[in-house]
Amino acid sequence: DAKTTQPNSMESNEEEPVHLPCNHSTISGTDYIHWYRQLPSQGPEYVIHGLTSNVNNRMASLAIAEDRKSSTLILHRATLRDAAVYYCILSQDGQNFVFGPGTRLSVLP
Amino acid sequence: DGGITQSPKYLFRKEGQNVTLSCEQNLNHDAMYWYRQDPGQGLRLIYYSQIVNDFQKGDIAEGYSVSREKKESFPLTVTSAQKNPTAFYLCASSWTGVGGYSSYNEQFFGPGTRLTVL
Repeated sequence: DAKTTQPNSMESNEEEPVHLPCNHSTISGTDYIHWYRQLPSQGPEYVIHGLTSNVNNRMASLAIAEDRKSSTLILHRATLRDAAVYYCILSQDGQNFVFGPGTRLSVLP
Repeated sequence: DGGITQSPKYLFRKEGQNVTLSCEQNLNHDAMYWYRQDPGQGLRLIYYSQIVNDFQKGDIAEGYSVSREKKESFPLTVTSAQKNPTAFYLCASSWTGVGGYSSYNEQFFGPGTRLTVL
């Protein structure tokens, strides 16, 4: 299984940009890169996903390295509501997401 | 409102009892999933189903069973064979793309059921 590596935790100040890194050196050509986040005692929610090109949506941006072995989730202005665990996931055969422990983001006021 | 519902939110059971967790979705999704989450850990896939009357084992299926008799419903039974059932259980659903694959489709998660076995 293709695996991802993320820092255990990160801190950010409110209203500053946050760059959450993810390494996936064994990614295959057809793997999509997904990002989800999970607030305490809630189910995860979708943030963004991409294949090769950088992606933007109302929540965040996804920057994918040219060799696809790493990616970065960018929150342009962190708010207190963005404090959560962020998961970087590679899709395998289309059904199985493999969730690692993720990055716990703390946002300081 | 469309979404996924799980009930109950909290569930307590005695050791040795089977218990069934409910998951219902009105998003018209074909695929549904069950995950287990232990404290401080990521989610692990228990079972998934792409279509009614069909389901596949995930990474940690031992001690669990599922059924998919209706598109909207995917109940999970935690049996007495599951050695450490206390955990947070999450249900999810998604569309399936061309060929039945979901690799680029968002998974929508329910609020979860926290099961405690005493």
